[in-house]
Amino acid sequence: EADIYQTPRYLVIGTGKKITLECSQTMGHDKMYWYQQDPGMELHLIHYSYGVNSTEKGDLSSESTVSRIRTEHFPLTLESARPSHTSQYLCASSEYPLAGGPGLRGANVLTFGAGSRLTVL
Amino acid sequence: DAKTTQPPSMDCAEGRAANLPCNHSTISGNEYVYWYRQIHSQGPQYIIHGLKNNETNEMASLIITEDRKSSTLILPHATLRDTAVYYCIVRGQTGANNLFFGTGTRLTVIP
Repeated sequence: EADIYQTPRYLVIGTGKKITLECSQTMGHDKMYWYQQDPGMELHLIHYSYGVNSTEKGDLSSESTVSRIRTEHFPLTLESARPSHTSQYLCASSEYPLAGGPGLRGANVLTFGAGSRLTVL
Repeated sequence: DAKTTQPPSMDCAEGRAANLPCNHSTISGNEYVYWYRQIHSQGPQYIIHGLKNNETNEMASLIITEDRKSSTLILPHATLRDTAVYYCIVRGQTGANNLFFGTGTRLTVIP
């Protein structure tokens, strides 16, 4: 059963609208991530956070923004949606950072949500 | 992090063992092999990981060759619900703050 929840699962919206994708986890993980994935393609990290009030951009440049005001909550916002933002957005969390250190058995183990599929018309 | 090579697709009969190969010939001594799977556009699910010894859990077994240049994920009795894209990832436990998912192997379990 999922301990990380994403809403909405599906969203169809018009160009120019502001959208927020919600992500919440009940595992108490400090580390949270947002990935973007187009159908049949690779996952790309767009944002990550290693704790409250800490956010960093990932490898893929994104016009979205994130915030981390509470440990369990990591929402992603698009101020003005465009058709190029059409994609699946996947939220994940981990107990340990990806660069957790040698011998840390839990490193690189991510728990993902079910995803939010966004379509911008 | 070392590059991995996986076949793009495989089929397996239901009830039979599914053996998914992964080549990682440039793996370094402190890099682990991780396996995830992604079922029909859900988020990826962690399966198993290992360094050099074979590993087994309730989901699968991981066999790593002695030279560590390749590995095989084994699903002992594949079911239709195992149809998914399987990702083999090699990385160390220090370094970049990203876990790179490539295109993986699409496993189709056939009734």
